[in-house]
Amino acid sequence: DGGITQSPKYLFRKEGQNVTLSCEQNLNHDAMYWYRQDPGQGLRLIYYSQIVNDFQKGDIAEGYSVSREKKESFPLTVTSAQKNPTAFYLCASSLRWATNEKLFFGSGTQLSVL
Amino acid sequence: AQSVTQPDIHITVSEGASLELRCNYSYGATPYLFWYVQSPGQGLQLLLKYFSGDTLVQGIKGFEAEFKRSQSSFNLRKPSVHWSDAAEYFCAVGALLGGSQGNLIFGKGTKLSVKP
Repeated sequence: DGGITQSPKYLFRKEGQNVTLSCEQNLNHDAMYWYRQDPGQGLRLIYYSQIVNDFQKGDIAEGYSVSREKKESFPLTVTSAQKNPTAFYLCASSLRWATNEKLFFGSGTQLSVL
Repeated sequence: AQSVTQPDIHITVSEGASLELRCNYSYGATPYLFWYVQSPGQGLQLLLKYFSGDTLVQGIKGFEAEFKRSQSSFNLRKPSVHWSDAAEYFCAVGALLGGSQGNLIFGKGTKLSVKP
């Protein structure tokens, strides 16, 4: 089945540690996105990638980094510079980067700080 | 700046009752509007979308939404709620970035509880 796979489901970070969240899609989509979800805050865009080897900062990129070396993969690194990383992280993709495109979401990664 | 407001944080309805979830947007041109649903601990799934044309849009799972330009609203409705509809619902508006088509702005969500 085609879809988006996020791993791990749960992740714990120690202070000062960088952690990487995985996102893989087999939908052959050009565009991929990372969102952060906090309770009662909706979804906020961290980074997006319109096409392979390209990515752009979203609204809350500070303390995060990404890469897009392969079309199907868009990993997110939460660096030690992100002082409040506890949140639910959602990866999404769309066929093209366009406002009217349907987003397909993964099932998320819950990141917590030890 | 574009924005989306979902005035109700939490709504409880009885199973079989009708449902309306409110969404108001702020946007300078004809918006692209979406409703997504999220079950606990899961990703979001598209319910329906509006781009142009008929202002009453039908979606999956028996949901519909009506675009009202005069009220800047895109409310989600369902005639008879099922227990499986309990979830969180997000309204989203298509934004423009630097003059190019871009990304969605999401509301903060409305959590729906269903009483037996």
